[in-house]
Order: sequence, then structure tokens, then C-alpha cells
Amino acid sequence: GAGVSQSPSNKVTEKGKDVELRCDPISGHTALYWYRQRLGQGLEFLIYFQGNSAPDKSGLPSDRFSAERTGESVSTLTIQRTQQEDSAVYLCASTLGYNSPLHFGNGTRLTVT
Amino acid sequence: EDQVTQSPEALRLQEGESSSLNCSYTVSGLRGLFWYRQDPGKGPEFLFTLYSAGEEKEKERLKATLTKKESFLHITAPKPEDSATYLCAVQVSSKLTFGKGITLSVRP
Repeated sequence: GAGVSQSPSNKVTEKGKDVELRCDPISGHTALYWYRQRLGQGLEFLIYFQGNSAPDKSGLPSDRFSAERTGESVSTLTIQRTQQEDSAVYLCASTLGYNSPLHFGNGTRLTVT
Repeated sequence: EDQVTQSPEALRLQEGESSSLNCSYTVSGLRGLFWYRQDPGKGPEFLFTLYSAGEEKEKERLKATLTKKESFLHITAPKPEDSATYLCAVQVSSKLTFGKGITLSVRP
């Protein structure tokens, strides 16, 4: 079946603009995660959804970052007033549940100029 | 704070030269340890989950093992197509904490 789909695959934006990143998880996966991967760095946890609720948003770097999930499906990560340090690959993953492996999309590469 | 350290940062092998990648961790209440493979421009691809010390899992040329403090990913007779970044991650609560990864390059 289809895997996790993320769009756009690449996004170049000017400093100060807002961006929206989209994630379509695997159908039936109740949990959804967002991670950030800076060049040469490991994956940095941002937020976790169980259904449409976000019980753990401890990784969001600032109040410029927000995320929502609707219909226990699609999720959107929004970054307001982008800064150059926001440049990274943003990865989404979904899973059936606790202790099940995460299945990742190919990410959105965000470049802030 | 949960910590995951992978070593070495990079590893270059000749085709057929077996080796091991290390993942050491400091966590309270490990629920699972995961290994992923990541190719350039792609998301991580799941390889293995290990749940308890002494557990081993194998897939083709890869074998993962787990102790109370570390995990090893053993690569037997690697091929150039095994070149990738290998990530390990630990699960304590609802989220996975990842190491920085080991970049493996296998020369033909």
C-alpha cells in the first residue's frame, strides 16, 4: 500500500514568510510524528499526535511552530515568520501504535533565504 | 535525559569486510530499540526492533543485538549497496530519541 506522503518535497522561502508542510500518513495509523533533521545532525523530535490530539508537543522549538491533525489523517506543520535556522528537512512518520516501528515519509527540505 | 550515542561517526569498508556499528544509550525504562537505514534524500527505513537484553534479529547481511547498555549492528560481507546512514533510536515513552547516525561507505 501507499507509504507516508509529504508535500512539498522542497520549499524555498524568504526569511519572515510563513510556510505550511503537509503529511499524509499511512491509512489506519493512529499515531503521527514530526521530526526535524538539520544537515549532519540526528533527528530532532518536534511533536506527536495520537488521533487528532497532541499529547506531546515538547519538541516544538518556539511559538512560531504549530501543528494540527484532522480526521485522524492529514497533518500540517506551520512555521510562522521563518528564520534561517529553520532550514532543515522536516520528516513525518506514522505508526499503528506504541512500540510499533515508525514509517517515515521522504521529508520536506525547507530552505530559508 | 535520554541519550543515544552512535560510533563511529563514519565507517569506510572494502566490499566483503565485515564490521560492527555501535549504539550506546542511557535511558530509564527502555521500551524498545530501533535500527533504521537512511539513504540520501530519503526518509529513514525501518530495519529492526529489539525489546530486551540478549535479543538478536537478522535480515540478510545485517544482525542486530542488544545488551542493557548498547546495541550493535553487525554487517557481514557488506556490498556497495549497503552504503547508507544507519540510525538507532530508543523508545522510553511515546517518542523515539535518535542518535546522530553512522555513515557507512562500502567500496567495491
